[in-house]
Amino acid sequence: DIQMTQSPSSLSASVGDRVTITCRASQGIRSDLGWYQQKPGKAPKRLIYAAYILGSGVPSRFSGSGSGTEFTLTISSLQPEDFATYYCLQHNSFPRTFGQGTKVEIK
Amino acid sequence: QVQLQEAGPGLVKPSQTLSLTCTVSGGSVNSGGYYWTWIRQHPAKGLEWIGYIYHSGSTYYNPSLKSRLTMSIDTSKNQFSLNLSSMTAADTAVYYCAREVRDYSGSGSDYYIDFWGQGTLVTVSS
Repeated sequence: DIQMTQSPSSLSASVGDRVTITCRASQGIRSDLGWYQQKPGKAPKRLIYAAYILGSGVPSRFSGSGSGTEFTLTISSLQPEDFATYYCLQHNSFPRTFGQGTKVEIK
Repeated sequence: QVQLQEAGPGLVKPSQTLSLTCTVSGGSVNSGGYYWTWIRQHPAKGLEWIGYIYHSGSTYYNPSLKSRLTMSIDTSKNQFSLNLSSMTAADTAVYYCAREVRDYSGSGSDYYIDFWGQGTLVTVSS
């Protein structure tokens, strides 16, 4: 199985801050990576797929980059509705595997 | 708009088999290019991918659950199902059904999960 290591596990930030979350794959996965946002009590929601493609309706302050084994999710200017937990998910091979999650909290 | 809805017991006794069904509306489980997927989330924990079933009936199960897992699909009811046997407290989780898309792009295929059910909490307890 491909292991996905996500960091940090949590962070505190203020509205307007730039936030960066990293995901590292245990082997190369090309650009087969998605980022998902989950709010308490809700199902995750797709933000980014294929490492950098913004999902439909997702604000442009979200962006993704990377390929191979290193990937980054960036929120350029954190908004109140962005406080949530973020997961990466590799779509390169089965079984699919998620990162451990990054909880973004209000500073 | 595609919608998915899980149904099943909220409480299962240890050693019993969990049966969950996901009903799909606004789309067909008989369409190609979609992996009908189950994912679970242990309380206050991360996400665990369980497996998928394709419209043809082909499946892939997470090796960690493979010996206890069976999935099926009913195209006449537009549903797919999960059976997980020999349940223990470690299987207590919110179970989600979801649709993973294989999107044929110019350079190959892109994959993503675009629709999820709301999730159903399954507690294993006597």
